[in-house]
Amino acid sequence: GDSVTQMEGPVTLSEEAFLTINCTYTATGYPSLFWYVQYPGEGLQLLLKATKADDKGSNKGFEATYRKETTSFHLEKGSVQVSDSAVYFCALSDGANTGNQFYFGTGTSLTVIP
Amino acid sequence: EPEVTQTPSHQVTQMGQEVILRCVPISNHLYFYWYRQILGQKVEFLVSFYNNEISEKSEIFDDQFSVERPDGSNFTLKIRSTKLEDSAMYFCASRSTGWQFFGPGTRLTVL
Repeated sequence: GDSVTQMEGPVTLSEEAFLTINCTYTATGYPSLFWYVQYPGEGLQLLLKATKADDKGSNKGFEATYRKETTSFHLEKGSVQVSDSAVYFCALSDGANTGNQFYFGTGTSLTVIP
Repeated sequence: EPEVTQTPSHQVTQMGQEVILRCVPISNHLYFYWYRQILGQKVEFLVSFYNNEISEKSEIFDDQFSVERPDGSNFTLKIRSTKLEDSAMYFCASRSTGWQFFGPGTRLTVL
């Protein structure tokens, strides 16, 4: 079945460091891929998405490229800020499934220190 | 900007009690979902709902769970007899034709 495997955390970085959070997926169809962010005490917010191979999603300095050949959707940011401290979830939605349910990774907690 | 809202933000209940978690999806959305996140674990799909009926449900969504859209705006998740392992964050989501928008969640604590 469909699944998402996400890099284990927690991750601690200094401000302005480069961030990579790895995400790979397994899907039977042609999924859309997402990164969601959960700030402390808040719900899930869509960070970026990509709906087909080679698409690049980007938002707030974060980027991720849909790589079908490696079934990956790694999240990157060139220079993290303290305000980026949150939990990041990789997810997929397989359009072949009724209801388009989401499959989430386990989440990666990021802490950015000044 | 339209958003999904959920009430209450935190619910504490005794084991064996019934709880109803409430969600107000975005008004023109047609598909509705419940997910849960046990502390420290991944977000798991529970159920999807479309056209006033369940379209898909996971193994977690057993007979203790039910969903309802009692009026044109609310979407509820009922747990009939709560167990300790039902303690989790419950997220509601809705969508029209695009991706899902998630609510802020209800933290359910079963004592």
